[in-house]
Amino acid sequence: NAGVMQNPRHLVRRRGQEARLRCSPMKGHSHVYWYRQLPEEGLKFMVYLQKENIIDESGMPKERFSAEFPKEGPSILRIQQVVRGDSAAYFCASSPGRDNSPLHFGNGTRLTVT
Amino acid sequence: GENVEQHPSTLSVQEGDSAVIKCTYSDSASNYFPWYKQELGKRPQLIIDIRSNVGEKKDQRIAVTLNKTAKHFSLHITETQPEDSAVYFCAAHNDYKLSFGAGTTVTVRA
Repeated sequence: NAGVMQNPRHLVRRRGQEARLRCSPMKGHSHVYWYRQLPEEGLKFMVYLQKENIIDESGMPKERFSAEFPKEGPSILRIQQVVRGDSAAYFCASSPGRDNSPLHFGNGTRLTVT
Repeated sequence: GENVEQHPSTLSVQEGDSAVIKCTYSDSASNYFPWYKQELGKRPQLIIDIRSNVGEKKDQRIAVTLNKTAKHFSLHITETQPEDSAVYFCAAHNDYKLSFGAGTTVTVRA
């Protein structure tokens, strides 16, 4: 089992560009979560998705951020018109179920906005 | 929503001593409490978890206790070793959402 796969590991974008972060959950997992971690801070919930559905996006900024988890392919976190404050590590996690299931994290994408 | 508080934010211990990290949560509906260890530049890794129908769980040098009435849970690491140095996060799971504490940076001094 390859685990949760995220790519790219590092992403550098200039202000105003778009950032696309990809996440393939563990085999058999249909629940995906995105978390943001600022330097030396904790993990902040952004969005929870099941296949083709956004269940909870309460932690995601209303502007510029969107997420999807299509029927086929990885989950995508998209950040449009990036700003310096978007620089952070973005972690994806997956689980097999909704209740009391351990979350397994990917290695994260470290986004740097210059 | 759930609010998880974690203390202390930093912890320095002598190798061989014990380390204790404490967390409180606000939502009595939370029923699953995992602990994650994160080394610098790496992903959070699950090290132990406890469910609300259990008061204590142990795995080698690591143990977790849960007091549902008081809504707090703790991580205990005994006989600490240099490789235990990392950031530790507690979390509380309510329905589908996992809310994290702010983390404790543990440094084990040789």
